[in-house]
This record gives sequence, structure tokens and C-alpha cells, in this order.
Amino acid sequence: DVKVTQSSRYLVKRTGEKVFLECVQDMDHENMFWYRQDPGLGLRLIYFSYDVKMKEKGDIPEGYSVSREKKERFSLILESASTNQTSMYLCASSALTIGENLFGPGTRLTVL
Amino acid sequence: AQSVTQPDIHITVSEGASLELRCNYSYGATPYLFWYVQSPGQGLQLLLKYFSGDTLVQGIKGFEAEFKRSQSSFNLRKPSVHWSDAAEYFCAVGGYNQGGKLIFGQGTELSVKP
Repeated sequence: DVKVTQSSRYLVKRTGEKVFLECVQDMDHENMFWYRQDPGLGLRLIYFSYDVKMKEKGDIPEGYSVSREKKERFSLILESASTNQTSMYLCASSALTIGENLFGPGTRLTVL
Repeated sequence: AQSVTQPDIHITVSEGASLELRCNYSYGATPYLFWYVQSPGQGLQLLLKYFSGDTLVQGIKGFEAEFKRSQSSFNLRKPSVHWSDAAEYFCAVGGYNQGGKLIFGQGTELSVKP
């Protein structure tokens, strides 16, 4: 059964901490995405990657960075967590030629 | 600007009643359209998708959607709602060679009355 996995379902961090959210897909997909989900705002794209070591900014990249050292793994980094980054974070992947995103279960991050 | 609008934030229907969730999009190229469902605390699951061809598409769990280019709409329907359909539903649009990059609507939360 193909899937996208995220390292944590729930995470609580303190303001100023460096936070790593990990995502792994087993479908050999070229594209990977990090979205942020907030009530009433839907999903907003933070960063995406078309290939290993390649990344592009999405709609809300401020305060975030990403890393893709291997094709199957895409990490989201909060360099210095702030309370306004409390949210649900969703990772997704897709094959190169189609748009269908396959999503992970999400990580609910709380920053105190 | 490219965007997706789901006009209804929250809808309540009775179990067994029919359902229609609205989705309007603005997209500069030929759109690929998707509906996803999210149960509480879970990730998003694909219900159905439209790439080309027949404008009425069938999905999982008895859902269907109709693409109407003239109205820039892709409404989701189900003839008879079950209590287990209570969830949040997201419409999304993408395009060919966009590498899977999607634009999502705000979501519609569906509640089902017994």
C-alpha cells in the first residue's frame, strides 16, 4: 500500500526552538509539497520540490525552510518557532506529469 | 489570479438527503480539478478528479462531480448522504506540467443530522 508518512502526528514546541518536520514517500514521486492548514483558509503551499536538492517557494515561505537530500524525503524546518506557526502541517507528493497529490496524515504543531 | 472558491463554509444535511457542494475556480489554462475529503485529525483523501473527457466524473464513496467550463464550476454531489460522510471537503485546481502544484479552496465542513 503506497503512502506518505510524517514523523509525528502531534508536536509541542517552545517559542524560539528549531523544529524539524519529516516526510517520507514510498512511490518514487518526483514532486513533494509542504502545506499549512488553518481553519477558514484551506491549504496554503509553503514550499515544494521537483527534484533532489531543488526547492521552490510557495505562497507562504516566510519563517520556513526545506531540505530534500533524497528523493523520498522532504523536510520542513522552522528555524525559530513562533506562536503564529501553530497549525496543521500536511506533506504531499505527486508524480511528474499528473496533478494528483497523495497526502500524509498531517502533523499538528503547537508552539507555546 | 488563480483561485478556488467554495462559497459554503458549513453545510448541514439530514442523513439520506442529497448533497451538493459548490466549487468555482479561476485558472488561466486548462484546469485539472480535484475533490478531497478530510476526516477529523486526518490527512486528505482523494474523492475524484477531472482531467479531460466526460464532464461527469465518478469517485469513491458514491460521490460524483460535474465540470462545467462555461460556469467555471466543479460541484460535488451525492444522492444520499450517510452519517460517515461528515467531514471537511476541499476543492482544488491544477494544470498540466504544473508538477502537481494545486490551489485549494477554503473548504466546506459537512455535518449530517440523524
